[in-house]
Amino acid sequence: SQTIHQWPATLVQPVGSPLSLECTVEGTSNPNLYWYRQAAGRGLQLLFYSVGIGQISSEVPQNLSASRPQDRQFILSSKKLLLSDSGFYLCAWSLPGLAAYEQYFGPGTRLTVT
Amino acid sequence: SQQGEEDPQALSIQEGENATMNCSYKTSINNLQWYRQNSGRGLVHLILIRSNEREKHSGRLRVTLDTSKKSSSLLITASRAADTASYFCATDDTGANSKLTFGKGITLSVRP
Repeated sequence: SQTIHQWPATLVQPVGSPLSLECTVEGTSNPNLYWYRQAAGRGLQLLFYSVGIGQISSEVPQNLSASRPQDRQFILSSKKLLLSDSGFYLCAWSLPGLAAYEQYFGPGTRLTVT
Repeated sequence: SQQGEEDPQALSIQEGENATMNCSYKTSINNLQWYRQNSGRGLVHLILIRSNEREKHSGRLRVTLDTSKKSSSLLITASRAADTASYFCATDDTGANSKLTFGKGITLSVRP
């Protein structure tokens, strides 16, 4: 069966510090991978998605970046965090391809920028 | 920008009652999905309905889709306190290429 892991679960970082959030998927090959951010009491904002290694599509201009160094690993980074980067970050995977299949979400990372 | 708009934004019902949540969208879609999120957790996929389907059931869940009105509804029958969560609709816009657009969600509280 497939599982998705995210870490860390919670993170408190000062403004201007770097960020690295990691997401890994087990039990499937060549998944589509997604990073979302959810502000308090709000819906999900798609940040990045990837349909293959090294293929990253950015949805929202910002100071965040994403990388996919391995087939089932997706990393969200920032060189300098802003207060507005605070939120709940969710990674998700779906079956490969261009159709929008069901997405399976990780447990999320709660990021607080102080 | 958000495609799906759910209503109501919040719903409070008594255990045993039915809960109906609605979602409207703006563009043509391939499919529409409903997800559930418990507080502080990731989303869980509930049900997917394709654009050529009008109704779908899964356990106590019933989803309808009216593409002419660009709307969908999620009905939870015989609600339980454990159904307390936020519910999101998500649309796969035609031509969107593997992306979903989520609404802002509905907060459902089921009182025991």
